[in-house]
Amino acid sequence: GAVVSQHPSWVICKSGTSVKIECRSLDFQATTMFWYRQFPKQSLMLMATSNEGSKATYEQGVEKDKFLINHASLTLSTLTVTSAHPEDSSFYICSAREGQAPWTGELFFGEGSRLTVL
Amino acid sequence: GNSVTQMEGPVTLSEEAFLTINCTYTATGYPSLFWYVQYPGEGLQLLLKATKADDKGSNKGFEATYRKETTSFHLEKGSVQVSDSAVYFCALRVSGNTPLVFGKGTRLSVIA
Repeated sequence: GAVVSQHPSWVICKSGTSVKIECRSLDFQATTMFWYRQFPKQSLMLMATSNEGSKATYEQGVEKDKFLINHASLTLSTLTVTSAHPEDSSFYICSAREGQAPWTGELFFGEGSRLTVL
Repeated sequence: GNSVTQMEGPVTLSEEAFLTINCTYTATGYPSLFWYVQYPGEGLQLLLKATKADDKGSNKGFEATYRKETTSFHLEKGSVQVSDSAVYFCALRVSGNTPLVFGKGTRLSVIA
């Protein structure tokens, strides 16, 4: 199947710094990417839907100024956690799909990026 | 709202044991149901899916039946292997243009 790659796989940063996580579709064009966050022993929670060339759509309760999402090309979306705090420590996963809604194809996931904020 | 509840883990089984991971859902309309698996160090992969009531999804010896009357989609495998050790996520999608809603995940460890 198609491959979605995230980088970095894990990152440790100091409180107050910003961290960028990349999500790339390696062998297909991802018109839409989704960013999920997973707390320990919790569900994967959708943070935002990212469409290429337009602003991301954030879920209720997600701070768009804190979690900046950019989807500048059909193969790359980035999530930047700005002014990170320890409560932002989490596992972030992206997923991607080809084409336009309504989708009938499979959703492909990255490996996830574990962020630890000290 | 839409939600998925799956049994909490971790689940530890001996090789060749029977596996059941329970999953129930709440949804508006008629969702499609999925099981995803995440092997260590890898991303989530679709394991199987069912799009309407009474459908049975199956793959790699795993199967799950879409039970509308009990709003369930339990994952089963008759004989697990060490290589099945992973985290399993139950998920639903209400329509083609909505994102997936996931359960919390169940970690399965199979010991030889």
